[in-house]
Amino acid sequence: KNEVEQSPQNLTAQEGEFITINCSYSVGISALHWLQQHPGGGIVSLFMLSSGKKKHGRLIATINIQEKHSSLHITASHPRDSAVYICAVYGGATNKLIFGTGTLLAVQP
Amino acid sequence: DAGVIQSPRHEVTEMGQEVTLRCKPISGHDYLFWYRQTMMRGLELLIYFNNNVPIDDSGMPEDRFSAKMPNASFSTLKIQPSEPRDSAVYFCASSSSGGAREQFFGPGTRLTVL
Repeated sequence: KNEVEQSPQNLTAQEGEFITINCSYSVGISALHWLQQHPGGGIVSLFMLSSGKKKHGRLIATINIQEKHSSLHITASHPRDSAVYICAVYGGATNKLIFGTGTLLAVQP
Repeated sequence: DAGVIQSPRHEVTEMGQEVTLRCKPISGHDYLFWYRQTMMRGLELLIYFNNNVPIDDSGMPEDRFSAKMPNASFSTLKIQPSEPRDSAVYFCASSSSGGAREQFFGPGTRLTVL
């Protein structure tokens, strides 16, 4: 079993829909990263959080440390949001990220 | 401010050849990470440096892989000899200080070994 699990693995949505991607982890963590990777592209950091909620534009990330769970929400989705979204955690007192397998999102116009 | 810079962006080589990937971290960042991404295994940490010193190389697949950081603004990842199974995208990332700090990724080098 992977230490970081994401769901769903694949997601297709219509433009304008509200999207939720989930991340569960089994290790103690100090922080969690949400990353975005467009097809054939580089990796961009969206959020890093260790508690509560963060918002940036149409993106919202939440984390529940007790439940070992985080969600990434996209409001008013757009085709340009189509990408792979990767959850990664810093396990305990470490500088090393543990990665989930990613969620492939396709937003259709 | 420039982000993490990697070169080359694409590399095609033949099995047995030496490959050198290069990375320039963001100025002022004292942590540098090398990752490999494949369809089968996703993103994997190969090695990371702090203040130019290798801290953890447990992810380096085998002796064919080596990494150096001769100064704060430059790092190399070398594969010698290369094999087809080394084909992947190699990312370099940097962060400031330690612990749970946001990492900034370079654009990656897509390596194809024929």
